[in-house]
Amino acid sequence: TQLLEQSPQFLSIQEGENLTVYCNSSSVFSSLQWYRQEPGEGPVLLVTVVTGGEVKKLKRLTFQFGDARKDSSLHITAAQPGDTGLYLCAGALKAAGNKLTFGGGTRVLVKP
Amino acid sequence: DSGVTQTPKHLITATGQRVTLRCSPRSGDLSVYWYQQSLDQGLQFLIQYYNGEERAKGNILERFSAQQFPDLHSELNLSSLELGDSALYFCASSVGSGGQGIAYEQYFGPGTRLTVT
Repeated sequence: TQLLEQSPQFLSIQEGENLTVYCNSSSVFSSLQWYRQEPGEGPVLLVTVVTGGEVKKLKRLTFQFGDARKDSSLHITAAQPGDTGLYLCAGALKAAGNKLTFGGGTRVLVKP
Repeated sequence: DSGVTQTPKHLITATGQRVTLRCSPRSGDLSVYWYQQSLDQGLQFLIQYYNGEERAKGNILERFSAQQFPDLHSELNLSSLELGDSALYFCASSVGSGGQGIAYEQYFGPGTRLTVT
């Protein structure tokens, strides 16, 4: 069982539709990061959330950190083919310093 | 471009061999992290160095070792390679070490794809 569970594992939608990716854990994280990774490349940091209940927006992407800092979600509005990729959440546990624990990832395919 | 460089981009070698992967962190970053990404295991943390010293260890095999040099570049050494070691190996860097749960943002390099035949 992974410390961070992401759902769904795979999502295929049409351009213009909305989507939400979830990241859940039974542990409390001091912070949580979201990354997007394209095939053959390294993960690219999208956002870091630190405060419980925090909401951050990055253009059409909305990130939320749960009140208890155990879960997070990523919502994409009006998805575009350029949003296609592997979305990874990664949490930092206070007891483990800055060692990031990654979720298994959600593979998103946006079809034109 | 994250500013983190990794060489080589691709590496093909035979079982039993030894290879060295190299990483240069972003300018000003003192921490270097190594990760392994395979299809069935996702992204797994291997080891972290901060300013030349080992700071955290993850699921790193005894056949693997790493070090960070005075110029802050890092090398990951993989020996007695097995077929199962085939994977993407990523290096990431951050400005701090992350003590007390402070999550410094990590910036990833483009990775080295290792194929063991």
